[in-house]
Amino acid sequence: SQQGEEDPQALSIQEGENATMNCSYKTSINNLQWYRQNSGRGLVHLILIRSNEREKHSGRLRVTLDTSKKSSSLLITASRAADTASYFCATDAADSNYQLIWGAGTKLIIKP
Amino acid sequence: GAVVSQHPSWVICKSGTSVKIECRSLDFQATTMFWYRQFPKQSLMLMATSNEGSKATYEQGVEKDKFLINHASLTLSTLTVTSAHPEDSSFYICSARDLAGMGETQYFGPGTRLLVL
Repeated sequence: SQQGEEDPQALSIQEGENATMNCSYKTSINNLQWYRQNSGRGLVHLILIRSNEREKHSGRLRVTLDTSKKSSSLLITASRAADTASYFCATDAADSNYQLIWGAGTKLIIKP
Repeated sequence: GAVVSQHPSWVICKSGTSVKIECRSLDFQATTMFWYRQFPKQSLMLMATSNEGSKATYEQGVEKDKFLINHASLTLSTLTVTSAHPEDSSFYICSARDLAGMGETQYFGPGTRLLVL
């Protein structure tokens, strides 16, 4: 099931620039997670931010969470060609029995 | 990090045959595994939640007699697509929740691409 909206649907930037993707959701959550999927491949877990956290960093990734607006953003700094992939947000809703609810995804293309 | 494997990684079969896909957690125990399907350029769609030792819980619109799920052990869940038809062609992905951890993170398999001719 999907509850998340992600924008933009597609993003194309030059290598070295920063990429920002946004995710909105509808219900109360325990946490929100970001995943990366290379074309035709499985998903790679990037980062998890809990509902009581506002910002989290992991390497070149920075995630923010605004529970009042039910939104999150993923910032990738100093992008590289290898960052080209689809990025999905997924929420662990408060009463979901650990089921993840997925956004539609953002297709990120990094031009060399 | 935790590893989840899927087998096979891709399969081509004739219409009417059944296909079994295995999902294994290699270095952790998983009481709960999830099965998804993904159509091209779309997000993941949850098909069912597989619980070790009990019946799977299917999402609305997913035929349980069509997609048989068995979670016989803490490290293995199988999805059998019975009497497959071309419309069943898709990318099937499983994920597993680590029993020992807080269970917040799901670990995903690499996916199985099914093509039904």
